[in-house]
Amino acid sequence: GAVVSQHPSRVICKSGTSVKIECRSLDFQATTMFWYRQFPKQSLMLMATSNEGSKATYEQGVEKDKFLINHASLTLSTLTVTSAHPEDSSFYICSASTSGFSTDTQYFGPGTRLTVL
Amino acid sequence: AQSVSQHNHHVILSEAASLELGCNYSYGGTVNLFWYVQYPGQHLQLLLKYFSGDPLVKGIKGFEAEFIKSKFSFNLRKPSVQWSDTAEYFCAAAFSGGGADGLTFGKGTHLIIQP
Repeated sequence: GAVVSQHPSRVICKSGTSVKIECRSLDFQATTMFWYRQFPKQSLMLMATSNEGSKATYEQGVEKDKFLINHASLTLSTLTVTSAHPEDSSFYICSASTSGFSTDTQYFGPGTRLTVL
Repeated sequence: AQSVSQHNHHVILSEAASLELGCNYSYGGTVNLFWYVQYPGQHLQLLLKYFSGDPLVKGIKGFEAEFIKSKFSFNLRKPSVQWSDTAEYFCAAAFSGGGADGLTFGKGTHLIIQP
């Protein structure tokens, strides 16, 4: 089956630093990758949609200058949390889809737990 | 605003009991619906999905769900649960029905099956 990996699985950083999270589709080409955020005991909230070779589309309320997304290849998307603050601490999950259409299954990564001190 | 709601946040059942988890959505247009499961320590996995056609869809591991348009519902069912079904269950929807669509998730239901 389709496998999506994320790296790192956990990261702790100091306030003010930047953190990069990678999302890779291991055995298929993902035209579209989605980034979600999950707060404790809450649901996943869509942050942005990234399409290979083009700029990401951000959901309302998500700061594009803070959460930089790059989707440079059909198997890799990166999320960089810039100038991280404690309120950015969360669980970040990516998903990948061959086409991005809602009729295509999204395959989810295992998530990255970010803790900002 | 478009939303997905799950009625039961925690459900505890005994093995062999029947299961029904509620899911409702709020949207007047085309909607694609999904149920995902997250076993302890694992990532989200697709159980089943509905796009069109037969409103009763069957998924993996004996799960099924019924889309009732008039009730804006997509409840998940299983006739006889097993201990291994202990997990977090998420209902999700893609609302625009086309284009690159991220999912809107419900808050999840934590299901515990007691031996």
